[in-house]
Amino acid sequence: DVVLTQSPLSLSVTLGQPASISCRSIQSLVHSDGKTSLEWFHQRPGQSPRRLLYEVSNRDSGVPDRFSGSGSATDFTLKISRVEAEDVGTYYCMQRIHWPHTFGQGTKLEI
Amino acid sequence: EVQLVESGGGLVQPGESLRLSCAASGFTFSNCWMSWVRQAPGKGLEWVANVNEGGGAVYSVDSVKGRFSISRDNARNSLYLYMSSLRVEDTALYYCVGWDSTLVYWGQGTLVTVSS
Repeated sequence: DVVLTQSPLSLSVTLGQPASISCRSIQSLVHSDGKTSLEWFHQRPGQSPRRLLYEVSNRDSGVPDRFSGSGSATDFTLKISRVEAEDVGTYYCMQRIHWPHTFGQGTKLEI
Repeated sequence: EVQLVESGGGLVQPGESLRLSCAASGFTFSNCWMSWVRQAPGKGLEWVANVNEGGGAVYSVDSVKGRFSISRDNARNSLYLYMSSLRVEDTALYYCVGWDSTLVYWGQGTLVTVSS
């Protein structure tokens, strides 16, 4: 299985400050069509996950532009430029190019 | 409005069976790959199974292979997960997830508890 390793596993951030989460894969996530299958999800307590980014850096509809993604092949980063109160919860990276599809362990963000 | 509504969860004993259903509305169900993803209490997300748009290609993780079966009925806009030989470690909130090109849809989940 393609293991995705996130770091840190927990993050305490002051409102208005930046935050960064790393996701590393043991295999390349680049598809034969050149696209990279790496997505980021946010899950608030008691809610279903919501996707923030797909193909590394494309924001889903309604996702604030303070969220950005970068990286390539096996090494990826989610950045929040200025953390807001609604950003609390757990963040997961995910790959859909290799079966079984896998999630990272999750990074819990607290304010 | 896009909706995925799961049902069929509950409390069962080890070794018993259960069938989960997911009713989809508000989008073109037959255009979507569909998945079941689960989350054990206090734990992270785990992929369980996938089925392609037409239902002819299915995939499941090793831990459920031979016990769980994913299927769909495009005429009824419904996704199913038949679970047999349930184990304590299958206890989780089971989410129905739809993938449509660049969009993704999640249900609210249905809780399966396996306990004696």
